[in-house]
Amino acid sequence: DADVTQTPRNRITKTGKRIMLECSQTKGHDRMYWYRQDPGLGLRLIYYSFDVKDINKGEISDGYSVSRQAQAKFSLSLESAIPNQTALYFCATSDLSGRSGGELFFGEGSRLTVL
Amino acid sequence: QKEVEQNSGPLSVPEGAIASLNCTYSDRGSQSFFWYRQYSGKSPELIMFIYSNGDKEDGRFTAQLNKASQYVSLLIRDSQPSDSATYLCAGPYSSASKIIFGSGTRLSIRP
Repeated sequence: DADVTQTPRNRITKTGKRIMLECSQTKGHDRMYWYRQDPGLGLRLIYYSFDVKDINKGEISDGYSVSRQAQAKFSLSLESAIPNQTALYFCATSDLSGRSGGELFFGEGSRLTVL
Repeated sequence: QKEVEQNSGPLSVPEGAIASLNCTYSDRGSQSFFWYRQYSGKSPELIMFIYSNGDKEDGRFTAQLNKASQYVSLLIRDSQPSDSATYLCAGPYSSASKIIFGSGTRLSIRP
């Protein structure tokens, strides 16, 4: 089983619908992140969390919200999806005490299409 | 200005040559940097990290960090077709907080 699991892997929805992307990890890391990837734009940070009580906005948080339900779970919500939120979304975890001091471990991605 | 800037390419390099990828950053307090490789349709994977000024070598890969000039680079020697991918540089702020990525450079190794 993957250490960082994202669900769903693919989702097609309509404008205005509420969508939740879920991320769970078995790595025991405190830090979790949500990124979106668009062609030619690299990875852009949406939200990040250092522990259950610590949640921070990233570069592009407008239109998104998150919930850290437990150390191992970090969910991303789109309250009212719009077409320009069509993208590939990645969840990642990190542990500053690790070998590389902050290496990100990624899930396999969730491809979201908003029609 | 984006906090981490990369030339998006694409960069085409003949097989066996050296590929040079560059990245600049805006936060002088940034401590460490990472280079990730991403194959099409896959998740990024870490290939190098560097936190000290100078060079760090790992096999065919060399990362270079110049804090005075605020740039970080990745050299790939003896480029192979399997090196064809998008390369992303990333850095935290000085407090080792959020990790910001550059826009990525698409590298193509031609036979």
